Amino acid sequence: DIVMTQSPDSLAVSLGERATINCMSSQSVLYNSDNKDYLAWYQQKPGQPPKLLIYLASTRESGVPDRFSGSGSGTDFTLTISSLQAEDVAVYYCQQYYNSPWTFGQGTKVEIK
Amino acid sequence: QVQLEQSGAEVKKPGASVKVSCKASGYTFTNYGISWVRQAPGEGLDWMGWIITYNGNTNYAQKFQGRVTMTTDTSTSTAYMEMRSLRSDDTAVYYCARWDLPDGPFDYWGQGTLVTVSS
Repeated sequence: DIVMTQSPDSLAVSLGERATINCMSSQSVLYNSDNKDYLAWYQQKPGQPPKLLIYLASTRESGVPDRFSGSGSGTDFTLTISSLQAEDVAVYYCQQYYNSPWTFGQGTKVEIK
Repeated sequence: QVQLEQSGAEVKKPGASVKVSCKASGYTFTNYGISWVRQAPGEGLDWMGWIITYNGNTNYAQKFQGRVTMTTDTSTSTAYMEMRSLRSDDTAVYYCARWDLPDGPFDYWGQGTLVTVSS
């Protein structure tokens, strides 16, 4: 199984500042035939289901604010919130859908400092 | 608009079975797969498996094989997840999620169904 490890487990950022979350996979999730990374990011607020933010490592889902961006390839990925807003307080998960079983990171809790 | 409407909360005793439904609307049901993901209280997301809606093919995570069955009823655009031999550590919120065939992320999620296993 591909193990997804996120860091940090939690972070506190001031409003308007940048938040950076890292995700590392135990093996590459880059599919050589199409040169795409099968890596997604989700946001989950309390009492709600997860919401898709980013897929294929860097493609923003329709309707997601452009302060959210994804980068990385192979085994190392980053989710960046360029200017943290109050409504961004949530737990963020990375997920690989390259290989079964599809696996999630343990989650990173983002709070306001 | 795309919606996945799940059945209501369940309370079960250890050893019992539960069947959760997920009714899809707003899109062509057989053009997308359905996955099931669970989340124990205060914990992260745990992928359980998927079903390809147009042919019924399934793929279960090894930890659930033998205890979980995923099915669909294409006439009503509804997916089902049945779990048997429930234990207390199966207490969780169970989500259905849509994924784009052949291999896409989960772009829409149901609201979740809380299954509580307690004697």
